Amino acid sequence: GDSVTQMEGPVTLSEEAFLTINCTYTATGYPSLFWYVQYPGEGLQLLLKATKADDKGSNKGFEATYRKETTSFHLEKGSVQVSDSAVYFCALGRGADGLTFGKGTHLIIQP
Amino acid sequence: SAVISQKPSRDICQRGTSLTIQCQVDSQVTMMFWYRQQPGQSLTLIATANQGSEATYESGFVIDKFPISRPNLTFSTLTVSNMSPEDSSIYLCSVDRLDSTYEQYFGPGTRLTVT
Repeated sequence: GDSVTQMEGPVTLSEEAFLTINCTYTATGYPSLFWYVQYPGEGLQLLLKATKADDKGSNKGFEATYRKETTSFHLEKGSVQVSDSAVYFCALGRGADGLTFGKGTHLIIQP
Repeated sequence: SAVISQKPSRDICQRGTSLTIQCQVDSQVTMMFWYRQQPGQSLTLIATANQGSEATYESGFVIDKFPISRPNLTFSTLTVSNMSPEDSSIYLCSVDRLDSTYEQYFGPGTRLTVT
């Protein structure tokens, strides 16, 4: 079955540091890939997505590229802020089967 | 985007009792999904609910424990039956964006604590 593996945290960085959160997946066919974010005390919201190989999703300074050859969708940001502190989930979707999520990465940004 | 509300937002329940969680969407949708997020864990799909048909449950989840209703295209309920402390979780409903990307919008969640 489908699965998503992402680096587990917590990941602690200083403000303005470079961020990478690794995500790899296993799935048949051509799933869509997503990064969702859950800020403290808030609901789950979409951060970015990519629907086919080599697509790059981007939002709020975050980027991720759909790499089919390495089955990866790593999340990156060049300069993180304290307000980026949250839990980040990598997920994949294939039609009517709902989404498959990774375990989540807790990111802590220190001033 | 779809706006999704859930009731209650949180509850504390005694073991052996049942709780029904409501999910309301501001537009008509074909499919609604229910997920569970156990403390410190990821989201796990419980079932998919289509209007006019029986819900489809994922492995490890059964209808007797998590009965679902889907009376119309904007509303669904999930009942957590005969609760135990292991049912303490956040329960979320979601809907598909319907643009063939499989993106989903999520409700704010219901935080359930079973004592």
